[in-house]
Formats: sequence, structure tokens, C-alpha cells
Amino acid sequence: DTGVSQDPRHKITKRGQNVTFRCDPISEHNRLYWYRQTLGQGPEFLTYFQNEAQLEKSRLLSDRFSAERPKGSFSTLEIQRTEQGDSAMYLCASSFSGSYNEQFFGPGTRLTVL
Amino acid sequence: GIQVEQSPPDLILQEGANSTLRCNFSDSVNNLQWFHQNPWGQLINLFYIPSGTKQNGRLSATTVATERYSLLYISSSQTTDSGVYFCAATNQGGKLIFGQGTELSVKP
Repeated sequence: DTGVSQDPRHKITKRGQNVTFRCDPISEHNRLYWYRQTLGQGPEFLTYFQNEAQLEKSRLLSDRFSAERPKGSFSTLEIQRTEQGDSAMYLCASSFSGSYNEQFFGPGTRLTVL
Repeated sequence: GIQVEQSPPDLILQEGANSTLRCNFSDSVNNLQWFHQNPWGQLINLFYIPSGTKQNGRLSATTVATERYSLLYISSSQTTDSGVYFCAATNQGGKLIFGQGTELSVKP
């Protein structure tokens, strides 16, 4: 049973650079979610997809952030012109879309912007 | 949107003690989950429990949906139980709203 995987696990970048993260969900799941977690806080929702469609985006997702799920399988989250405030753990989760909608999380990508 | 509050924020126990963590939510829910976040940051699923009671070994959980709270019980705590416990809920079938977490420290 393959869980949710994320790549890379760690990313260090300089302010102003672009970064891209990948998430591979559990294969049977049609929903995929992105969350962000800063130190000492609970995860905060960013966006989610059902199949290829992006159904909701948080106001936290500024225009420097873009997420895609082109074939309804893996997803990418890109941050353009990174800022120090973008430093956080980026978590991906997946689930079914029916009445049983338990979400399972990947190991996260820890981003440090210098 | 729904609000989720957890208490206590911190808890220190001696190994072998029992504990109860509480999660209050502001509206009806169709998903409520408890997680344990390991030292590397991964969220480990403990319970999916929008209502009712479940048990898994030394851990059990109860959600009283009509009164908008959920409880996580840890019995005979071990040092490996240390870490942050999160409650998260949704009433929209999509995004989870997380509480601020309870940081548990179990001393040997």
C-alpha cells in the first residue's frame, strides 16, 4: 500500500528564486489537497483538486503561488519570487470525495528561503 | 467557516499516566480526524471519527456531534506518545480546519 509521497523533502533557496514541489497521492484517491504549516501552528489549507479541477483556493494563496494537477494524478505547487515568509512545511494530502473522506498526508516538503 | 479549538495547549505527564485531549468545533461536521505529528513533521492518522467512539490499542476517541466536541484518550502513556496532537474538522467535505494542537510530553 503506497501512501502519499512528496518531493523534495527539503528545499533551501534564495529569496527571489522560483521553487516547485511535487505530490503523488494515493492512487485510488480523486481529491488532492495542499496545506502549509509554520512553526508552532496547525496546518492551514491552501487549495484542493478533485480530479483535474481546482475546486477551492485559500486567500493565503497569493498570485505568486500556482498549483496544477494536469492529469488528475500527481500535483505540483510552484512558488514564484520566493520571500522569507514563504519558509514553512508544505503538506500534501489525498482522499476520496464521497461520504468517507478521510485525508492521508505525505511527509511534507520543508522550504527554507534565505 | 468552522472553527476548531483544542485544549490544553501543553500537557506534561509521567510515563504510565492517562490523559484526555479535547477538541471543540463551532458547527456540524462531516469529517473529524485526530493526528499525531511526529518529530519529522509527518501527520500520522489516529482516528477518523465524525461521530461515535473508536478504540485502537491504548488510544480511543469519542465525538459527540450534537454537542460539538471530540475527546482523545491516551491510557498508560509511553515516552513515544510525546509530540503534537492535532484535531481537524470540515463541514464542507473538502478542506480540513486544524486546531492549534496539544503538545504532549511524557517523562520517563
